[in-house]
Amino acid sequence: ELKVEQNPLFLSMQEGKNYTIYCNYSTTSDRLYWYRQDPGKSLESLFVLLSNGAVKQEGRLMASLDTKARLSTLHITAAVHDLSATYFCAVDIKGGADGLTFGKGTHLIIQP
Amino acid sequence: DAGITQSPRHKVTETGTPVTLRCHQTENHRYMYWYRQDPGHGLRLIHYSYGVKDTDKGEVSDGYSVSRSKTEDFLLTLESATSSQTSVYFCAISSGGNEQFFGPGTRLTVL
Repeated sequence: ELKVEQNPLFLSMQEGKNYTIYCNYSTTSDRLYWYRQDPGKSLESLFVLLSNGAVKQEGRLMASLDTKARLSTLHITAAVHDLSATYFCAVDIKGGADGLTFGKGTHLIIQP
Repeated sequence: DAGITQSPRHKVTETGTPVTLRCHQTENHRYMYWYRQDPGHGLRLIHYSYGVKDTDKGEVSDGYSVSRSKTEDFLLTLESATSSQTSVYFCAISSGGNEQFFGPGTRLTVL
């Protein structure tokens, strides 16, 4: 059974600081996704990581994938308040055909 | 944004009543999924479909059934709703092997 663990689950940080969210998974996979969810809203796709060593960047967010370590990271650089949200990683082990397994999410609060 | 709608967006019902949630897409994607989101659990897969009339169970399928008679519609039915099925339900679509796009969600309360 695939398990996906995120840490931390809650994170409060100040604007301007850097931090990293970790996503570990238990079964071999080379497909990992990061989503963002604002309160009361749907999930918004942030990054698609489809191979070992993949690195994607968008603004102050950067995601990477190490399939050998079964680890993905979401790095936040010089955080701003607008990045406050819940971030989910999700793993796909069968090429997308039969659904994603999600982590429990990291609730991120960025304080001015 | 991907063309995905869910209906109803909010529903309150009583224990023991049947409930059907609808997901409609305009993207002609082959794959469709139903997830539920509960505090402390992230999203969990209920059922998915890989084509018209082709469906399969996910991690938390007990108490739920699905149907897909057309490419664009994927229905989730709670045959006899229970309080443990109070949740937010998300539909997602995918062209396969790629990211999934999520609908706006349906908030279901079972009293």
